[in-house]
Amino acid sequence: IAGITQAPTSQILAAGRRMTLRCTQDMRHNAMYWYRQDLGLGLRLIHYSNTAGTTGKGEVPDGYSVSRANTDDFPLTLASAVPSQTSVYFCASSTTGTPGEKLFFGSGTQLSVL
Amino acid sequence: EDKVVQSPLSLVVHEGDTVTLNCSYEVTNFRSLLWYKQEKKAPTFLFMLTSSGIEKKSGRLSSILDKKELFSILNITATQTGDSAVYLCAVAIYYGGSQGNLIFGKGTKLSVKP
Repeated sequence: IAGITQAPTSQILAAGRRMTLRCTQDMRHNAMYWYRQDLGLGLRLIHYSNTAGTTGKGEVPDGYSVSRANTDDFPLTLASAVPSQTSVYFCASSTTGTPGEKLFFGSGTQLSVL
Repeated sequence: EDKVVQSPLSLVVHEGDTVTLNCSYEVTNFRSLLWYKQEKKAPTFLFMLTSSGIEKKSGRLSSILDKKELFSILNITATQTGDSAVYLCAVAIYYGGSQGNLIFGKGTKLSVKP
């Protein structure tokens, strides 16, 4: 089934450790996004990429980095995790990256930083 | 500051009831408004609205946008337990070219009791 695959589904991580959340899509979408979802705060954009080879910062980029080496993959890295990064992380994609177009979401990664 | 406000934050109804979820916004350079349904994991797309007064319908769900009063409503008639979910409203802002933003509201949690 075409869509977005995120891994891992959940992870418990010690503070200070490095962690990469994986995201792969098979829809050949140009644009990909990383959001975090926290209770009471809704979905907030961390980083995005409108096309392979380019990335941009969203609303809450600090402490996170991304890369977009090819169309399909968009990993999110926490270089040194902190407890405030405990959240549910969603990867999403869209066809062109034009603001307002439909987003397709992955199933999320529940991350707990202790 | 751009913002999207959803109300109510949570709602409990019984099967067969009709519900109306609200989304108001204050943004510059409005492009479109989108509704998503989030059950346990990934948000799934419901509607995209760009023009005032044109109702979008899908089965028992419908939505309409008022660009003068800056709000949208999502109606669900004859609710079923499967409608239980968090409903997310998002507003797309367009700055020109490929530049823009998507701002999510905090969501309305709907619980439908048998």
